[in-house]
Amino acid sequence: QVQLVQSGAEVKKPGASVKVSCKASGYTFTSYGISWVRQAPGQGLEWMGWISAYNGNTNYAQKLQGRVTMTTDTSTSTAYMELRSLRSDDTAVYYCATAYCGGDCYEAFDYWGQGTLVTVSS
Amino acid sequence: IQLTQSPSSLSASVGDRVTITCRASQGISSYLAWYQQKPGKAPKLLIYAASTLQSGVPSRFSGSGSGTDFTLTISSLQPEDFATYYCQQLNSYPREGGFTFGPGTKVDIK
Repeated sequence: QVQLVQSGAEVKKPGASVKVSCKASGYTFTSYGISWVRQAPGQGLEWMGWISAYNGNTNYAQKLQGRVTMTTDTSTSTAYMELRSLRSDDTAVYYCATAYCGGDCYEAFDYWGQGTLVTVSS
Repeated sequence: IQLTQSPSSLSASVGDRVTITCRASQGISSYLAWYQQKPGKAPKLLIYAASTLQSGVPSRFSGSGSGTDFTLTISSLQPEDFATYYCQQLNSYPREGGFTFGPGTKVDIK
């Protein structure tokens, strides 16, 4: 069955970088993209961007352009999200998600990772 | 594309009919999904293409709408339905704002 398993919680200082991983299993990794979504404490969901696992093409949310990089390692079926120049308002749970149902479900996110808490604090 | 949801929260009783509205700032055809999220858990896809029930989701959930106005209806609220519900538009690509989510509607027990 499709599974996305994320790396563990991180604590970072302001100005540092964090790299969160998302290991996929149960499907052909290169056939689907991976999106990243974050959720600050007590807040709503924020779409961060998307990467094609097929060719590495990316699309990032405008507000994160220049600070975020999404990559994949097809040899291990793992996606990565790196966020740089961390600020306190980057404290959030970070999720990876995929639209395994693809165009049949209009690219809605039917599988999600368990989430990774990133805390930015001095 | 911006999404608004109303109400932002509501209190209801088991068995109640609940309706949540999602409005897009411009037309998105039927490129809208609804998710349910419980505390400490990842969101769960309920409905895609505005009105198609995801496999395994109870039939008391339904969605309707197209263009700019959408609704999620729970026909008879069950104890396990107390959660926060988000709409998401999947019509535009990042250069136009990305796959934005609505701000959410929290459904709690009256």
